[in-house]
Amino acid sequence: QQQVKQSPQSLIVQKGGISIINCAYENTAFDYFPWYQQFPGKGPALLIAIRPDVSEKKEGRFTISFNKSAKQFSLHIMDSQPGDSATYFCAAGFQKLVFGTGTRLLVSP
Amino acid sequence: GAVVSQHPSWVICKSGTSVKIECRSLDFQATTMFWYRQFPKKSLMLMATSNEGSKATYEQGVEKDKFLINHASLTLSTLTVTSAHPEDSSFYICSAYSGTSGRNGEQFFGPGTRLTVL
Repeated sequence: QQQVKQSPQSLIVQKGGISIINCAYENTAFDYFPWYQQFPGKGPALLIAIRPDVSEKKEGRFTISFNKSAKQFSLHIMDSQPGDSATYFCAAGFQKLVFGTGTRLLVSP
Repeated sequence: GAVVSQHPSWVICKSGTSVKIECRSLDFQATTMFWYRQFPKKSLMLMATSNEGSKATYEQGVEKDKFLINHASLTLSTLTVTSAHPEDSSFYICSAYSGTSGRNGEQFFGPGTRLTVL
């Protein structure tokens, strides 16, 4: 009940394209769903987060779509740029978070 | 705002020695701090949760006598890796949480500490 499944494991997108990463959780009591971006040798940085009372949240080029009934949420990166190349982690939980396995995104110039 | 620092950023030590890693919330008071371990190209693995002034809660499989955690104030938590061995080499990351920090009380992560045990 504590797993968060993330896919794909890796993703290559052309510059200007849309990057989509998906996550699925099991515990219906989770009430906080953040996405983190991590560059090599650095700590994760919060990108965007959503609570289950809304179905979508947009901040700049980043959008979270949330489907409570399906227990799934996804990150969309619009107009992907080479600087977006990083590892992305979804997470779910309350105060304590369960992390997904990560997606390595490469945006080709 | 919501800055978390870690010190040192990297450390190399000999097998059998102990290493202390500090985690500080610089501009907010963290009621709870979390310690994670991350292996290369892997996800973050929660090691323990520490609340200010109380004993840390360790995740299953984490040796509490090897990884000593102290959360003496609302802005400082320390992780001490005791009698370190090469298998303890890893990237250690802390995060700080406050019910009033950030936009929704989210967790903010430190930059991590790379530990290499020779």
